[in-house]
Amino acid sequence: RKEVEQDPGPFNVPEGATVAFNCTYSNSASQSFFWYRQDCRKEPKLLMSVYSSGNEDGRFTAQLNRASQYISLLIRDSKLSDSATYLCVVNIRAGNMLTFGGGTRLMVKP
Amino acid sequence: DVKVTQSSRYLVKRTGEKVFLECVQDMDHENMFWYRQDPGLGLRLIYFSYDVKMKEKGDIPEGYSVSREKKERFSLILESASTNQTSMYLCASSLPWGRQGGISYEQYFGPGTRLTVT
Repeated sequence: RKEVEQDPGPFNVPEGATVAFNCTYSNSASQSFFWYRQDCRKEPKLLMSVYSSGNEDGRFTAQLNRASQYISLLIRDSKLSDSATYLCVVNIRAGNMLTFGGGTRLMVKP
Repeated sequence: DVKVTQSSRYLVKRTGEKVFLECVQDMDHENMFWYRQDPGLGLRLIYFSYDVKMKEKGDIPEGYSVSREKKERFSLILESASTNQTSMYLCASSLPWGRQGGISYEQYFGPGTRLTVT
């Protein structure tokens, strides 16, 4: 089993749709969780951190479910510019290293 | 704003050459990382440094070495480049773990170096 697992997609959705991604992680003691966005041939950039109580940033909502060991990302009112790969990131190993999931590809169509 | 820069965006080298990839960050971060990213394999950690002259092996250190002589600069060295080292190489930096409880901090990435070994 992978330490951080994501559905690779692609998720093809029309503009304006709501789309959700899940990510499961292997270490129940993990404390730090992030969603990154990576555009084609570009570096990953932090989209948002994920807090225990859940958090929202505009059209994006992140949730953490510790009991089931997964985090989710919800995107409302999808835009063409949301097309990218979304990486789930968790500190599986205590300390400085982060473990990246393989990414979920989103394609938003007109 | 955190800035992480890498010395080259594209690099083409021959098999057997010694290759140096340079990374510089301007936010006084203690941690610096080198990853490679390949289709279907995601981001894999090669080496990590938590202080000047300090390093730890990541998941795939074979065929690579690193150098950190100054806090802001972290170099990745391919001692003898091989075709299976053709990849996108990404450098990142972050604050150190444990500064606030047991959390890890987000990593900031450079633009990447696409290395082709022929």
